[in-house]
Amino acid sequence: SQQGEEDPQALSIQEGENATMNCSYKTSINNLQWYRQNSGRGLVHLILIRSNEREKHSGRLRVTLDTSKKSSSLLITASRAADTASYFCATDFGNEKLTFGTGTRLTIIP
Amino acid sequence: DAGVIQSPRHEVTEMGQEVTLRCKPISGHDYLFWYRQTMMRGLELLIYFNNNVPIDDSGMPEDRFSAKMPNASFSTLKIQPSEPRDSAVYFCASSTLDKYNQPQHFGDGTRLSIL
Repeated sequence: SQQGEEDPQALSIQEGENATMNCSYKTSINNLQWYRQNSGRGLVHLILIRSNEREKHSGRLRVTLDTSKKSSSLLITASRAADTASYFCATDFGNEKLTFGTGTRLTIIP
Repeated sequence: DAGVIQSPRHEVTEMGQEVTLRCKPISGHDYLFWYRQTMMRGLELLIYFNNNVPIDDSGMPEDRFSAKMPNASFSTLKIQPSEPRDSAVYFCASSTLDKYNQPQHFGDGTRLSIL
């Protein structure tokens, strides 16, 4: 399966702390995307990082990509209660489709 | 801007009944994707369209599932006959595509329960 694997499956941290989630994949990619899903809602795109990029920032989000290790990480700094959600990585293998990982469930404790 | 609109949001029906899920993509998007999400299998791509034409339906589980896109602003996913194992949240997403895949925009899904 080409499906990405997120690690950890679940993460609980105190509000204000940083949260780090990891994604690993198996074959070469064009780009990798991160999505957030709040309970009962659809997925929302957060950030896209291309295969020739190593790091990207968007507000409190920082994404890194290591193509040699076939892995990516999503860092959320200064977490807030509203960051409680599931986070998914999605890989683009160049075939018009995205393959979504299994997700990390993040809980921010106020 | 209106996002991807799905209807109904919830559907509860008995086994054997026909179920039709509907999706209105974002205007101007030329790709439309149907996904199914369950706890056991995660998010699975069922089928996707480009310019209203089905491109890849390899994820459609069985002949009981069918999808159409009669025009650029409307798509349906039909299950006939429905079975309890079809219970899941079904998402529609749309996007455009240039040299690199663009982000997909998801609707809020249809939560389907087959009794």
